[in-house]
Amino acid sequence: DTEVTQTPKHLVMGMTNKKSLKCEQHMGHRAMYWYKQKAKKPPELMFVYSYEKLSINESVPSRFSPECPNSSLLNLHLHALQPEDSALYLCASSLEFRLYNEQFFGPGTRLTVL
Amino acid sequence: TQLLEQSPQFLSIQEGENLTVYCNSSSVFSSLQWYRQEPGEGPVLLVTVVTGGEVKKLKRLTFQFGDARKDSSLHITAAQPGDTGLYLCAGLETSYDKVIFGPGTSLSVIP
Repeated sequence: DTEVTQTPKHLVMGMTNKKSLKCEQHMGHRAMYWYKQKAKKPPELMFVYSYEKLSINESVPSRFSPECPNSSLLNLHLHALQPEDSALYLCASSLEFRLYNEQFFGPGTRLTVL
Repeated sequence: TQLLEQSPQFLSIQEGENLTVYCNSSSVFSSLQWYRQEPGEGPVLLVTVVTGGEVKKLKRLTFQFGDARKDSSLHITAAQPGDTGLYLCAGLETSYDKVIFGPGTSLSVIP
């Protein structure tokens, strides 16, 4: 299995809703990442988990809350989002953080905040 | 902070033409990756270059890493509509141990 899966594919939520994005990989990778991407722009790093521990938080607002239940799963919990948070949210994984930077990306979740 | 620049920002060509996309920085990177991303999908890794002066070929795509490991280029021969997408270069930021992305080149190949 050489892919990263993400669910849901599309998500529409109101500003008072609570929702979660899910990401899964079975490649034995020990680093997992969340990115946010706006149209025609490169991905912006949000969080990095290495060996299930949070290694990098790029000053992301607390309305985004990551969770890594185990080495294969990565969640992003969303609460009280703003319309400007609408974007494509990408999950990625790599063999190790720092040493191996080839990242494998999931298809993304297209998030719309109303 | 190490930055990656890409040029051109946008490129629209006819099927069958050749093109080159550039990725430049004033800093040295330990490695560079090239990704292609189609609308609404995640980036797909095309290649990693590690050694200064390295050239890698992937069918009609040729990747080169500059001798000083500060720049890279992607050359596509006889472009096809299936090559359409956003081409991103990404480098391992040696000081801060994270990957940074260039702004991307949006390529459109017209049949």
